[in-house]
Amino acid sequence: DGGITQSPKYLFRKEGQNVTLSCEQNLNHDAMYWYRQDPGQGLRLIYYSQIVNDFQKGDIAEGYSVSREKKESFPLTVTSAQKNPTAFYLCASASRDKSGYTFGSGTRLTVV
Amino acid sequence: AQSVTQPDIHITVSEGASLELRCNYSYGATPYLFWYVQSPGQGLQLLLKYFSGDTLVQGIKGFEAEFKRSQSSFNLRKPSVHWSDAAEYFCAVWVLSGGYNKLIFGAGTRLAVHP
Repeated sequence: DGGITQSPKYLFRKEGQNVTLSCEQNLNHDAMYWYRQDPGQGLRLIYYSQIVNDFQKGDIAEGYSVSREKKESFPLTVTSAQKNPTAFYLCASASRDKSGYTFGSGTRLTVV
Repeated sequence: AQSVTQPDIHITVSEGASLELRCNYSYGATPYLFWYVQSPGQGLQLLLKYFSGDTLVQGIKGFEAEFKRSQSSFNLRKPSVHWSDAAEYFCAVWVLSGGYNKLIFGAGTRLAVHP
């Protein structure tokens, strides 16, 4: 079955560390997206990519970086510059027909 | 500016009661509208979507939504709520901005169901 996989489900980061969240899809979707979700704040767009080797900053890109070397993969790195990284991170993908997003099951990142 | 407003942050209903969740959007072109549901600690699942045609669209789990262009609204309804419907619900509009497509989400409505 086609889908979108995020790993790990839970991730703990020490102060000053970079961590990378994985997002893989086998839906043959061109576009991929990263959102951050905090309690009571809905979904905020971090980065998005429409095609391989191209990506755009979303509303809250500071302290994050991404790459899109393969159509199937869109990893998100949370750098030490992100001062408040504890949140739930959601990855999504979409086809060109605007039929909406398919979401992964999320990664919960906690700073310890 | 493109935006989605969900006026109700929390709603509580009794099991078996009817439900309506409100959504208003702001978008200059023909809107593509969506409702998603999220259970705690999970990703979002698509409930239904509106592209064109019949303004009343049916979705999964017995949900429906009505598009009203004159009111810029896309309210979600269910005739009889089940305890398993307790979750957070997000309305979204598909936008084209700077040559890129993306969804803009509302802040969400958290639904609690009393037995």
